[in-house]
Amino acid sequence: GQQLNQSPQSMFIQEGEDVSMNCTSSSIFNTWLWYKQDPGEGPVLLIALYKAGELTSNGRLTAQFGITRKDSFLNISASIPSDVGIYFCAGQPLTNYGGSQGNLIFGKGTKLSVKP
Amino acid sequence: EAQVTQNPRYLITVTGKKLTVTCSQNMNHEYMSWYRQDPGLGLRQIYYSMNVEVTDKGDVPEGYKVSRKEKRNFPLILESPSPNQTSLYFCASSLLGNGADTQYFGPGTRLTVL
Repeated sequence: GQQLNQSPQSMFIQEGEDVSMNCTSSSIFNTWLWYKQDPGEGPVLLIALYKAGELTSNGRLTAQFGITRKDSFLNISASIPSDVGIYFCAGQPLTNYGGSQGNLIFGKGTKLSVKP
Repeated sequence: EAQVTQNPRYLITVTGKKLTVTCSQNMNHEYMSWYRQDPGLGLRQIYYSMNVEVTDKGDVPEGYKVSRKEKRNFPLILESPSPNQTSLYFCASSLLGNGADTQYFGPGTRLTVL
């Protein structure tokens, strides 16, 4: 089936540093989503991207939908301890007629650890 | 409070004993979905439903059944559970019928099949 390659798998950073993670796919996606999961909780949506080239910010988070529609990145600026968690990219594949399929494909996640 | 609820939160069972995990949302969402989360594999979609009586297979549907008789409920059924179905399961819902908008996730159900 379709897969998303998310990297890095894990990151250990110092508080205040910027963070960057990305997702790539071999096929075109119509929608890119970024989620964060805290321990013992379900994922929570951070940013949704719907158009190629779109750059969207949510506080210290910025994400972009790649021009080729096969990739997306998420940046976190000036990290703080509560940024700790697992970040997932997710995407909706394109159908043959150009619309979105109903299924959602998730990357394997980036585990972020922040040292105070 | 708008939410997705799952029951039970924790379940230990034995191979072959049929079980149902319930999922309910109070947001009048059209789209509902089930995922399983396993270490190193991320979240994988089991089944999804774009509306009442409309269900489709996700990436890993084998060994699972679902039904969508009412908009608010989307139960996950394991007719004959096996140990490889030991996992953390999440139900999710979103307003639109294509899942492209915000999906709200439930708190998760940790299932162990012995």
